[in-house]
Amino acid sequence: GAGVSQSPSNKVTEKGKDVELRCDPISGHTALYWYRQSLGQGLEFLIYFQGNSAPDKSGLPSDRFSAERTGGSVSTLTIQRTQQEDSAVYLCASSLEAGQARGYTFGSGTRLTVV
Amino acid sequence: RKEVEQDPGPFNVPEGATVAFNCTYSNSASQSFFWYRQDCRKEPKLLMSVYSSGNEDGRFTAQLNRASQYISLLIRDSKLSDSATYLCVASGGGADGLTFGKGTHLIIQP
Repeated sequence: GAGVSQSPSNKVTEKGKDVELRCDPISGHTALYWYRQSLGQGLEFLIYFQGNSAPDKSGLPSDRFSAERTGGSVSTLTIQRTQQEDSAVYLCASSLEAGQARGYTFGSGTRLTVV
Repeated sequence: RKEVEQDPGPFNVPEGATVAFNCTYSNSASQSFFWYRQDCRKEPKLLMSVYSSGNEDGRFTAQLNRASQYISLLIRDSKLSDSATYLCVASGGGADGLTFGKGTHLIIQP
């Protein structure tokens, strides 16, 4: 696609439910990144994919968070047993390769609210 | 943990003025540097890359000082539309890609 597409754009869920967030990167981009941004805060790195593999999962806040990427394209971020502190905007970005020389292109994010 | 530090502001600047802000980065192995702009409730967007020799893009000038590990952004003849949060970014040199600062909030006042 022309840009990074994320869905849903907004999600309200009850505490304890599982949610799945989707990211569709720019076609041909091999690197894909998930970040989280809480209200008024900076970007918190979560996980990075090079192709289908995730060399660095150290940013995932807890074992309730997991992510996968299939076919070197679409990625899903799953949060199990959501908590109120999970409320944030979840941003996905992709880049042509992992060398970061050209920076990232971000999707418009998924705004998650846990009530 | 590799860090990028910025003054959060806000910087309140009259329209037409020149404004500059800096950031510092802790990872001496960083090779790539960027400024991103983030509007309220929007995603960050690449404003410009930062090169060692310094670079200009219209009213915007970016500078890199590797010895002191800081990056600067200068905005000349500021416009109301320049009001945004400016994120300083350095490559992490590792698998976690880019490291983002928390941003400097700029408000251009009429």
